[in-house]
Amino acid sequence: AQSVTQLGSHVSVSEGALVLLRCNYSSSVPPYLFWYVQYPNQGLQLLLKYTTGATLVKGINGFEAEFKKSETSFHLTKPSAHMSDAAEYFCAVSERGGSYIPTFGRGTSLIVHP
Amino acid sequence: DTEVTQTPKHLVMGMTNKKSLKCEQHMGHRAMYWYKQKAKKPPELMFVYSYEKLSINESVPSRFSPECPNSSLLNLHLHALQPEDSALYLCASVLNTEAFFGQGTRLTVV
Repeated sequence: AQSVTQLGSHVSVSEGALVLLRCNYSSSVPPYLFWYVQYPNQGLQLLLKYTTGATLVKGINGFEAEFKKSETSFHLTKPSAHMSDAAEYFCAVSERGGSYIPTFGRGTSLIVHP
Repeated sequence: DTEVTQTPKHLVMGMTNKKSLKCEQHMGHRAMYWYKQKAKKPPELMFVYSYEKLSINESVPSRFSPECPNSSLLNLHLHALQPEDSALYLCASVLNTEAFFGQGTRLTVV
């Protein structure tokens, strides 16, 4: 069975500072990995995903994530936070070769201070 | 068109009412899912439809009844719900490892 752990239910940064949201997965075979963003009272939007190939993945809105197999991690970063980045961020996994059903971590709320 | 459209956006219903949630996509995806999301929690899988057939039911109470009339449409029929069923209900359609989510229906049971 696969699972995903997001460290920190809340992360607070100043505008312009580095954003780092942590995600670790547990799976016997490296799964597909995703980061989604959810703004208040809205659905989920895919930021980026890792399926195969280059381990550094670039997504929308200036976000990127790096797949590190040795650390079973897929942390999300952005060099400079913007006020509009304030939202809930979910790391998700789905089984490689399976039916692509995302299983979500508990979420991390990103707070951006002016 | 990469949209998944859910209607209504908001729904308030009494515990004796019958209502339906609707989800529509025109991307040609053959897998569609229903998720339930409580406040400050991650989405939880409820049902999976693959090629219009129910393939996964995550032990959801029978007061929730899914239906997939065709490859573009997914319904969730609601009957005799409880206040604890109040949540954001999300629909997703899936293709090539990527799930596209609708904006959700905010359901309040009174």
